[in-house]
Amino acid sequence: DAMVIQNPRYQVTQFGKPVTLSCSQTLNHNVMYWYQQKSSQAPKLLFHYYDKDFNNEADTPDNFQSRRPNTSFCFLDIRSPGLGDAAMYLCATSRDNRVADTQYFGPGTRLTVL
Amino acid sequence: EDQVTQSPEALRLQEGESSSLNCSYTVSGLRGLFWYRQDPGKGPEFLFTLYSAGEEKEKERLKATLTKKESFLHITAPKPEDSATYLCAVQDMEYGNKLVFGAGTILRVKS
Repeated sequence: DAMVIQNPRYQVTQFGKPVTLSCSQTLNHNVMYWYQQKSSQAPKLLFHYYDKDFNNEADTPDNFQSRRPNTSFCFLDIRSPGLGDAAMYLCATSRDNRVADTQYFGPGTRLTVL
Repeated sequence: EDQVTQSPEALRLQEGESSSLNCSYTVSGLRGLFWYRQDPGKGPEFLFTLYSAGEEKEKERLKATLTKKESFLHITAPKPEDSATYLCAVQDMEYGNKLVFGAGTILRVKS
């Protein structure tokens, strides 16, 4: 089945220690997104790629970066994680961004910062 | 700024007791309204997309409806396996494909 895969499912890091989260997709979608979801809160868009074009949300902290080396993979880098960055990180994909295309989500990576 | 408000925050139903979840939204121009189901510790699972007022979509025990200011997710004769958090999200024509989510309604169905 075509799907969105996130690794690892659980990640523990130390305060200030860089961490990378991974997302891959077999849907061959053009657009990939990263959302942050804190406990009992709504998912919040951090940034997205339309093909190789990177689009950052205005209120996404500089501490968060992303890379998309090819169509299938996208990475979320947190350069110096703080306690407030503990959250579920959700990767999503959509076929296009010119219409109201459905976004399909992966299972998420739960990040714990010690 | 786009806003999405879901009510109630939590809902407890007995198996077979039908009810509705509400999603009120404010956008410049609606591109689409999306309903997702999220189980604990998992990513949101797509349910429906609604594009214009008056539109309705159904899937098993779920039916989603849309007006110019709100959407309802009707659950008919729910079962315990329908227990989950239901998320509503909107896309605004002004902001492209960005999804703005509500905080969700936590549904618990007891047998």
